Amino acid sequence: EIVMTQSPATLSVSPGERATLSCRASQSVDTKLAWYQQKPGQGPRLLIYGASTRATGLPARFSGSGSGTEFTLTINSLQSEDSAVYYCQQYDNWPLTFGPGTKVEIK
Amino acid sequence: EVQLVESGGGLVQPGRSLRLSCTASGFTFGDYAMSWFRQAPGKGLEWVGFIRSKAYGGTTEYAASVKGRFTISRDDSKSIAYLQMNSLKTEDTAVYYCTRAIAAAAGYYFDYWGQGTLVTVSS
Repeated sequence: EIVMTQSPATLSVSPGERATLSCRASQSVDTKLAWYQQKPGQGPRLLIYGASTRATGLPARFSGSGSGTEFTLTINSLQSEDSAVYYCQQYDNWPLTFGPGTKVEIK
Repeated sequence: EVQLVESGGGLVQPGRSLRLSCTASGFTFGDYAMSWFRQAPGKGLEWVGFIRSKAYGGTTEYAASVKGRFTISRDDSKSIAYLQMNSLKTEDTAVYYCTRAIAAAAGYYFDYWGQGTLVTVSS
C-alpha cells in the first residue's frame, strides 16, 4: 500500500497571501495524484488531477505541481472561502490512498 | 448537471447488513466507473471500493478492510450504484460517499462526489 503524508497539518494564512501545501508518497505515483477540498458538512470537491491539471471551473489561483513522490498544491491570493481541509490522493495503485489532510485557516 | 445522491444510511447493529444506493443523474451512467469512499467522524477520507463500467467488464476492487464483507454492484438501467454491507462492525461507522470515476493514464480520479449518507453501527 502506498502511504501518503501531508504537511503541515494546519496552515494559518492571511487573506491575499499564498498557501503552500505539501504531499509525499511512499513510492512513486508518477503524476497520478489528485487534490480535493472539503468544507465542513460537505462532500469533497476535486481541485487538481494528474498532479497539475485544474478541474473544470477551478480558479487559476489554485495550482498543482510535482511528480514521483513529491507534490505541492499552491493557493495564491488566499480568500476566505478557501478555508477547508485539503487532501491529496494517489490513483497509481490499488488500494487508493489519501493523505491525512491539511487544514487551511484564514487569519 | 451531474448529481449523485446517496441513500440508505442509518443506525444498524453490529453484525447486521445494510445496502446503500447512489442515484446518478446528468450523465450517461453506464459509461462511467463508480466508487465508494467513507469518512469516519472527525477523520480523513478512506477508499472503500470501485466498480468498472460494463465496457470494462464491470469488475470490482475493494479495500482490504471491507473485502469479503462489502459488495458493489450497479444497475445501469436505473443509473444506480449499490454498496451492500454485510457483517457490519462498529469501525464501519462513517459518512459514505458515492463518486464518479474518470479514467486517466491507467488510473482513475473522482470528479463528482455526493453529499454522503451516514451509517452508524452500534448496539
